[in-house]
Amino acid sequence: DTGVSQNPRHKITKRGQNVTFRCDPISEHNRLYWYRQTLGQGPEFLTYFQNEAQLEKSRLLSDRFSAERPKGSFSTLEIQRTEQGDSAMYLCASRFGKGTEAFFGQGTRLTVV
Amino acid sequence: AQSVTQPDIHITVSEGASLELRCNYSYGATPYLFWYVQSPGQGLQLLLKYFSGDTLVQGIKGFEAEFKRSQSSFNLRKPSVHWSDAAEYFCAVGAYSGGGADGLTFGKGTHLIIQP
Repeated sequence: DTGVSQNPRHKITKRGQNVTFRCDPISEHNRLYWYRQTLGQGPEFLTYFQNEAQLEKSRLLSDRFSAERPKGSFSTLEIQRTEQGDSAMYLCASRFGKGTEAFFGQGTRLTVV
Repeated sequence: AQSVTQPDIHITVSEGASLELRCNYSYGATPYLFWYVQSPGQGLQLLLKYFSGDTLVQGIKGFEAEFKRSQSSFNLRKPSVHWSDAAEYFCAVGAYSGGGADGLTFGKGTHLIIQP
């Protein structure tokens, strides 16, 4: 399967713990995006990479959130000191460049208890 | 700032009937427009996109959408729905230039229910 891959698919964690999610984009795609989707809402943009450079961060991305894409391939999203409000689906998407559509992964569903 | 409004939270349609899902957008420049579909617990699948050119675009699964600049709308249509079309539908707008402000802005979605 050459689509966008996200791991894990589900994560249950206790409040205050740190969690890390991984996204493997489609191999030739240089742009990678993270979105958060809460129940009954559309996805909300969190951050965006072009190759290894993080070019944009939403105000939604508090200082407890950090994202990396160290070699311009896979990306990780870490949430420190999780809160119940962090419970959501975290979606990753990738695309090749200007004028192309984004392809989404299946998402990681985070539940903070 | 760009925004997307999907005025219908839920729509119920009988199987075999026609469907129209509404989407209005606000964007300062020429937009990229998209419709995505999401089944429960799944990611988003692209149905169709508008970048430029013909304002009536065809997508997968028999869907089409029409871009109307004067109305800032990009409504999704299907002439005859199937039970498998039951899902959440999202309209989204993106930057044309593909520069730094590059993420998509999504509407809140329309939940489509198909009656037998």
